[in-house]
Amino acid sequence: KAGVTQTPRYLIKTRGQQVTLSCSPISGHRSVSWYQQTPGQGLQFLFEYFSETQRNKGNFPGRFSGRQFSNSRSEMNVSTLELGDSALYLCASSLVPGGAYNEQFFGPGTRLTVL
Amino acid sequence: DQQVKQNSPSLSVQEGRISILNCDYTNSMFDYFLWYKKYPAEGPTFLISISSIKDKNEDGRFTVFLNKSAKHLSLHIVPSQPGDSAVYFCAASYGGSARQLTFGSGTQLTVLP
Repeated sequence: KAGVTQTPRYLIKTRGQQVTLSCSPISGHRSVSWYQQTPGQGLQFLFEYFSETQRNKGNFPGRFSGRQFSNSRSEMNVSTLELGDSALYLCASSLVPGGAYNEQFFGPGTRLTVL
Repeated sequence: DQQVKQNSPSLSVQEGRISILNCDYTNSMFDYFLWYKKYPAEGPTFLISISSIKDKNEDGRFTVFLNKSAKHLSLHIVPSQPGDSAVYFCAASYGGSARQLTFGSGTQLTVLP
């Protein structure tokens, strides 16, 4: 069974640009969560999607948005990039929502660098 | 305000000995706790979890202990192996359908051969 895949793996953007990251969950998993990992901050929850609906959102500004498609694939978008957005963005999938209570499977992440 | 704290950024242990990774939390509403392990260039992988109704959960070489009164949990790895060298994250959650994971900042474990 293929794991969670994220594309692209690496991305370099400049301040003010926008970026879209993609995540394909494990086949059969309908819940997708996104996290931001920065040095010293651990992983911070961005949002969770299930059946194309955002179920939960972390404490991030509106520049961070996401969506989920009918095949459970998910995208996240960051507009008007800031230097502080440089981070590893991780996607995780699980069979059911409330991934914090069930095992989540993480992808390898997308490393975003904002110059 | 970090609700889940891992105060030791790094830990070195000799192969075969016990590794103890610690985690403290401040939110008394947390009722489910998990440990994840992360190798470089890979996403975190689930290791072990514990519900707040228990104080210990064991899975092979890994045991998690929960001390609710101290708001403290720890992960014990016995015996430690070089392949255990990784970053370990503890995480906590609470709530019903709106649960979300709150992670600590991680501890780099190095097991020396």
